[in-house]
Amino acid sequence: SAVISQKPSRDICQRGTSLTIQCQVDSQVTMMFWYRQQPGQSLTLIATANQGSEATYESGFVIDKFPISRPNLTFSTLTVSNMSPEDSSIYLCSVDRAGTMTLEETQYFGPGTRLLVL
Amino acid sequence: TQLLEQSPQFLSIQEGENLTVYCNSSSVFSSLQWYRQEPGEGPVLLVTVVTGGEVKKLKRLTFQFGDARKDSSLHITAAQPGDTGLYLCAGATQGGSEKLVFGKGTKLTVNP
Repeated sequence: SAVISQKPSRDICQRGTSLTIQCQVDSQVTMMFWYRQQPGQSLTLIATANQGSEATYESGFVIDKFPISRPNLTFSTLTVSNMSPEDSSIYLCSVDRAGTMTLEETQYFGPGTRLLVL
Repeated sequence: TQLLEQSPQFLSIQEGENLTVYCNSSSVFSSLQWYRQEPGEGPVLLVTVVTGGEVKKLKRLTFQFGDARKDSSLHITAAQPGDTGLYLCAGATQGGSEKLVFGKGTKLTVNP
């Protein structure tokens, strides 16, 4: 498994501001992912954070709104820019451990960041 | 677009009852994972199933992967209040992609 921490655990922000969420893993991993989970909903993949290159964004998500950094193999940040109330959500990072378990795609999730935008 | 349909969406039962949650798709997945998420926390991996027809047991939980690797089920025997949570299935696409497709989840409440 993997130990993943996220900061902050929760925040209340004003409309128009930006928030940067940090994700730290206890060991080096190749793949890191950022998800959004809106109230009462399932998880939606925002982007894959690639070490040493730009993140790969899913349809409906753009770099200007959700810039991502991945400076090394144990750390990533997601920024939610120019926030609006519609951005209120839980933001989760996850890591993939497929390389250590033959044929098994296994993702482990951080505890999430609860964001409320007023 | 690959979709995973989970049913039921909500389930409220009494302690001691049995239940089954279903996860269905028209797409084939190389593997399928089940997670449980409690309020205020991230999803916690319960199991990964890889082989068509595979059955895995985790105490009172039994997971099955369909023969065609398009569907899966989670059966809980003698449910307990501690089983309460959001159960999510997630499929890994074929072709070496590590991206997961999530179902909408089943919110289970086990009443004492």
